[in-house]
Amino acid sequence: SQQGEEDPQALSIQEGENATMNCSYKTSINNLQWYRQNSGRGLVHLILIRSNEREKHSGRLRVTLDTSKKSSSLLITASRAADTASYFCATDNAGNMLTFGGGTRLMVKP
Amino acid sequence: GAGVSQSPSNKVTEKGKDVELRCDPISGHTALYWYRQRLGQGLEFLIYFQGNSAPDKSGLPSDRFSAERTGESVSTLTIQRTQQEDSAVYLCASSFFYGNTEAFFGQGTRLTVV
Repeated sequence: SQQGEEDPQALSIQEGENATMNCSYKTSINNLQWYRQNSGRGLVHLILIRSNEREKHSGRLRVTLDTSKKSSSLLITASRAADTASYFCATDNAGNMLTFGGGTRLMVKP
Repeated sequence: GAGVSQSPSNKVTEKGKDVELRCDPISGHTALYWYRQRLGQGLEFLIYFQGNSAPDKSGLPSDRFSAERTGESVSTLTIQRTQQEDSAVYLCASSFFYGNTEAFFGQGTRLTVV
C-alpha cells in the first residue's frame, strides 16, 4: 500500500501563479522527499526534509513538514510552463523503504 | 556510469513469455529500489536491496516476480509467464544509503505484454 497520498491529484494554473501540493502519510518517518517526473519516465529529486525540520527552501521551492499532522506541502512560486510535470512525495519509514504517493499532475499554462 | 542505467528501454513480449529487466545503479550506491508504474498512476514499490540482500519482498505482486542483485551492483527483475496486467513502466533507483539520502532514478523499462 502507498505510504503517502498527494492532493490534489491534478492542478492547473496560469504561469506566474503559485502552486501548492500536499502530501499526507500514515506512519512515522525519518525524512520526506519530493520528486518530479516528466513524461512518465525517471524521477528527479527536488528536496529532502528531515523529520526534525519544519521548513526548507530551494530556489522557487518551499517545503513544509508537520509531523504532528503527518503532512507536508510543496509550494512552487512564480510557476513557469516548464514546471508542468507530476510531483511525488516519498517517505522513508522505519523499514528504510522509500515509498511514494500517487502524485499530483501539475499543468502550468503559458 | 554517470547515472542509473536500465535496459531495455522498451520491451514488447507475448503473454506467457518470461522477461528480464536490468538495472545498473550508480557505482558505490548500496541501496537499490524497483518500482512499477502503470499509466497515469503512482509508483508501486516492488522490492529494495541493501547491498545484495532484499530485506522485504512483500511488494512483489506474485510469485511470478523475482529479483536479484549481485556484487552490490547490477540487479535484474524477472517476470515469468507474463500477463497483460504486467504492462507498465518498471523503474529502478539507487541511493548511497538506504532512505536517508536522495534516490537517483533510471529512465525505466516500458514493458508491453501483448
